[in-house]
Amino acid sequence: EAQVTQNPRYLITVTGKKLTVTCSQNMNHEYMSWYRQDPGLGLRQIYYSMNVEVTDKGDVPEGYKVSRKEKRNFPLILESPSPNQTSLYFCASRILGQLNTGELFFGEGSRLTVL
Amino acid sequence: AQKVTQAQTEISVVEKEDVTLDCVYETRDTTYYLFWYKQPPSGELVFLIRRNSFDEQNEISGRYSWNFQKSTSSFNFTITASQVVDSAVYFCALSEAGDKIIFGKGTRLHILP
Repeated sequence: EAQVTQNPRYLITVTGKKLTVTCSQNMNHEYMSWYRQDPGLGLRQIYYSMNVEVTDKGDVPEGYKVSRKEKRNFPLILESPSPNQTSLYFCASRILGQLNTGELFFGEGSRLTVL
Repeated sequence: AQKVTQAQTEISVVEKEDVTLDCVYETRDTTYYLFWYKQPPSGELVFLIRRNSFDEQNEISGRYSWNFQKSTSSFNFTITASQVVDSAVYFCALSEAGDKIIFGKGTRLHILP
């Protein structure tokens, strides 16, 4: 089954304690991305990657890091989480092509609370 | 720069009424893609439709229809004979070819029984 898998789905942590949210896709998609969703602000892109070892900042990258060492994985790292990073996070992937850019496939979301 | 505007923050209609969700976009590219996603109360994001900039044909899928008009930079979504299960947040999104996808802020739709 084609899917994007995120872990953990729910996490409560404290300010400053490093955490990683993993994301893996089994569709061989070139493009992967992280979004955060906050009330009234919709989905905002944090980082995206167009292929292995290629990552770019989205609209709200501050406080986050990513890496793309393998095509299927795109972890999101919060080195020193703060309460303003409390949010619902989505990982997504898609086929990337000049003429066949596809829709995003989303993971189920990871709800993060930073105390 | 890309931009997507969903001016309707929240809409409530009575079941069986028709409802249209507006989406206006901005882009400088001639090649781009438009999307609609549904987010039901359970929280997942469900893909509804993709349309590329070269295809202005309207599309109908059951009770759902989409009206793409390049002249007004709009990609509106209509639900006919709405049902309670249509209650969700709906997102419109724009992608320039090979680039990031930008989402609107979403429209929360309440279908009242």
